[in-house]
Amino acid sequence: EAQVTQNPRYLITVTGKKLTVTCSQNMNHEYMSWYRQDPGLGLRQIYYSMNVEVTDKGDVPEGYKVSRKEKRNFPLILESPSPNQTSLYFCASTRAGQGRNEQFFGPGTRLTVL
Amino acid sequence: GNSVTQMEGPVTLSEEAFLTINCTYTATGYPSLFWYVQYPGEGLQLLLKATKADDKGSNKGFEATYRKETTSFHLEKGSVQVSDSAVYFCALRKFSGGYNKLIFGAGTRLAVHP
Repeated sequence: EAQVTQNPRYLITVTGKKLTVTCSQNMNHEYMSWYRQDPGLGLRQIYYSMNVEVTDKGDVPEGYKVSRKEKRNFPLILESPSPNQTSLYFCASTRAGQGRNEQFFGPGTRLTVL
Repeated sequence: GNSVTQMEGPVTLSEEAFLTINCTYTATGYPSLFWYVQYPGEGLQLLLKATKADDKGSNKGFEATYRKETTSFHLEKGSVQVSDSAVYFCALRKFSGGYNKLIFGAGTRLAVHP
């Protein structure tokens, strides 16, 4: 089954304690993205990757890092989480190209930073 | 810049009522337009899309028509069901810098009561 998986699904942590949210897709997609979803703001892109070792900032990258060492994986790293990073996070993937390619979303990770 | 504006929710309807969720956009050129749905506890799923002016996207009884003259992509359904209760996101996609970027509206929560 084609899917995007994220782990963990729920996480409660404290300020300053480094954490990583994993994302994996089994569709051999080139493009992967991370979004955060906040009430009244919709989804905002944090980082994206166009292929292995190619990453770039989205609209709200501050406080986050990513890496793309393998095509299927795109982890999101919070080196020193703060309460304003409490949010619902989604990973997404899609095929490369200008064509009509659908973006597939993971189930989400709800993060609470105390 | 590119942006999407949706009507604020929540929208509360009785079963079998008619649904309209308004969406307007600002973009240069000719973006593709999408409606995504997020059921409770799940990630986003593509509901329907339209890639050029006057196209009508449809799925599961929902419809939306790409109106370039009014820069709108309103979502409609003739008779809603309790199972349609979810958050609906309007989005546009622009191909820019070698990447298909999705820009989301804030989302509209729909609650359907028996």
